[in-house]
Amino acid sequence: GQQVMQIPQYQHVQEGEDFTTYCNSSTTLSNIQWYKQRPGGHPVFLIQLVKSGEVKKQKRLTFQFGEAKKNSSLHITATQTTDVGTYFCAGRSPNAGGTSYGKLTFGQGTILTVHP
Amino acid sequence: NAGVMQNPRHLVRRRGQEARLRCSPMKGHSHVYWYRQLPEEGLKFMVYLQKENIIDESGMPKERFSAEFPKEGPSILRIQQVVRGDSAAYFCASSPQVGGSPLHFGNGTRLTVT
Repeated sequence: GQQVMQIPQYQHVQEGEDFTTYCNSSTTLSNIQWYKQRPGGHPVFLIQLVKSGEVKKQKRLTFQFGEAKKNSSLHITATQTTDVGTYFCAGRSPNAGGTSYGKLTFGQGTILTVHP
Repeated sequence: NAGVMQNPRHLVRRRGQEARLRCSPMKGHSHVYWYRQLPEEGLKFMVYLQKENIIDESGMPKERFSAEFPKEGPSILRIQQVVRGDSAAYFCASSPQVGGSPLHFGNGTRLTVT
């Protein structure tokens, strides 16, 4: 079945440093989503990438989708303490057999700690 | 606009008891997903339901676990004869449609089995 691997598992940075997490799928994806989960909270949707090579920005966050639609990355510039949390990618497999259902598989997440 | 509502937030059960977790999706959402999360681990897909139908239960353990999403009322994740290994956070998410829709997660139910 589809596997989505995410690295690193943990990342500790000083406030102001940059941070990147990488996501790799064993199969080609139809789209990829990113979520953030604050400590003790629930995952919150950040963004979705659909097109090959797509790049999207949200303030200090930059999201990329690989040309082969099998990998993605999230880069945070100049981290702040409010960036603390776990960042998950979630890859959606292409529709199966003509149905409208493409399974969403989450990576293991990267736990980001920001030291002030 | 109420978000995805899960209850209870915390549930403590003794080994062998039953646990019932409830999830009311966002208004207008007819697709419900259940995920399980262990501390510092990812979200493990369990089951995907539409109203009155189980679409994908490939992540559900074969025994003791069941899920439903009736025509009226919330979706229910039921765990019979709980064991300590069932202790985890169980998140429900909903979406208005499949394909490109993002998932809206509830606050989760933290199940502790003593």
